[in-house]
Amino acid sequence: GQQVMQIPQYQHVQEGEDFTTYCNSSTTLSNIQWYKQRPGGHPVFLIQLVKSGEVKKQKRLTFQFGEAKKNSSLHITATQTTDVGTYFCAGPNAGGTSYGKLTFGQGTILTVHP
Amino acid sequence: NAGVTQTPKFQVLKTGQSMTLQCAQDMNHEYMSWYRQDPGMGLRLIHYSVGAGITDQGEVPNGYNVSRSTTEDFPLRLLSAAPSQTSVYFCASPKRGSGAFFGQGTRLTVV
Repeated sequence: GQQVMQIPQYQHVQEGEDFTTYCNSSTTLSNIQWYKQRPGGHPVFLIQLVKSGEVKKQKRLTFQFGEAKKNSSLHITATQTTDVGTYFCAGPNAGGTSYGKLTFGQGTILTVHP
Repeated sequence: NAGVTQTPKFQVLKTGQSMTLQCAQDMNHEYMSWYRQDPGMGLRLIHYSVGAGITDQGEVPNGYNVSRSTTEDFPLRLLSAAPSQTSVYFCASPKRGSGAFFGQGTRLTVV
């Protein structure tokens, strides 16, 4: 079945440093989604990328979707303590009614030291 | 518009007991799903539904049942709780063309 791998599992940074998490799928994805989960909270949808090579920005966050649509990355510039949490990528099974059948990566736990 | 509402937030069960986790959404989404979250394993799909009367198994369905009698509700039933079912459970409602809305989660401990 489809597998989504995410690295690193943990990342500790000093406030102001940059952070990147990488996501790789065993199959070509119709789209890639990114979620953030604060400690003790629930996953919150951040963004969806659909096109090959797509790059999207949300303030200090930059999301990329690979040319082959099998990998993706999330980069945070100048981290802040509010960025603390676990970041997940997720890919749906392709086509039809499977758009909601998401396979999640294991997540990257980000800790930011002030 | 509450989005996705899950109850209860916390639950302790004894081995062998049964219970139902409730999930309701008010967004008129056709899709609903249940995930469990365990440390280091991300979120794994238990069961999902593409509409009222239609359900299917996900990655880890054993020990769980679901039904979808209405668009709004998608309860998850634990038939005979086991310690291996200790986890955090999330109900989610994906939106076509966008991401999924998650409930607040249920922290379940089976002793």
